[in-house]
Amino acid sequence: DIVLTQSPATLSLSPGERATLSCRASQSISSSLAWYQQKPGQAPRLLIYGTSNRATDIPPRFSGSGSGTDFTLTISSLEPEDFALYYCQQRNPWPHFGPGTKVEIK
Amino acid sequence: QVQLQQWGAGLLKPSETLSLTCAVYGGSFSGYYWTWIRQPPGKGLEWIGEIDHSGSSNYNPSLKSRITISVDTSKKQFSLKLNSVTAADTAVFYCGRGRVSGEIDLWGRGTLVTVSS
Repeated sequence: DIVLTQSPATLSLSPGERATLSCRASQSISSSLAWYQQKPGQAPRLLIYGTSNRATDIPPRFSGSGSGTDFTLTISSLEPEDFALYYCQQRNPWPHFGPGTKVEIK
Repeated sequence: QVQLQQWGAGLLKPSETLSLTCAVYGGSFSGYYWTWIRQPPGKGLEWIGEIDHSGSSNYNPSLKSRITISVDTSKKQFSLKLNSVTAADTAVFYCGRGRVSGEIDLWGRGTLVTVSS
């Protein structure tokens, strides 16, 4: 099975700053990498699919990139509502999630 | 607007069977993987399994011996049964809509299932 590793585990930033979240796969994967945001008490929400495609109603400050084994979620300028948990996910041969990165207010 | 509504018992005793159902309101029922995912308190997401409209299912190998996922296309519902539960199965269980491309684009609100004697 492909294992996903996310770094850092916690990212402490201020509103307005740029956030860069990393997701690394144990072996090369196709472009089927997705990113989710989860806030306390809520279900995850799809942000990015196919490595770089924003899901419906996701603002353009969220962007995804990468290929092979290394993928990145970038939040260009953090808004107060962006402080949350973020998970990456791939499907090979079934859905696997990374352990998550917590973006917290510094 | 497509919505998923899920329900089921929230408190079980060890060795009992967990039973959850998810209904799909709006949208097509075919062309997707209807998915169950769980999240233990304070921990990450674990895929449990999935089923399509024809009844073809896939299960997480670590849970396969205890899981049954079924579908009722006439009602646009799918269900999860997990038998012989223990405290380690305590989690929020989510139903979701998985796309062929791999992502889960729609999630239910989640059901907290607690296993306690």
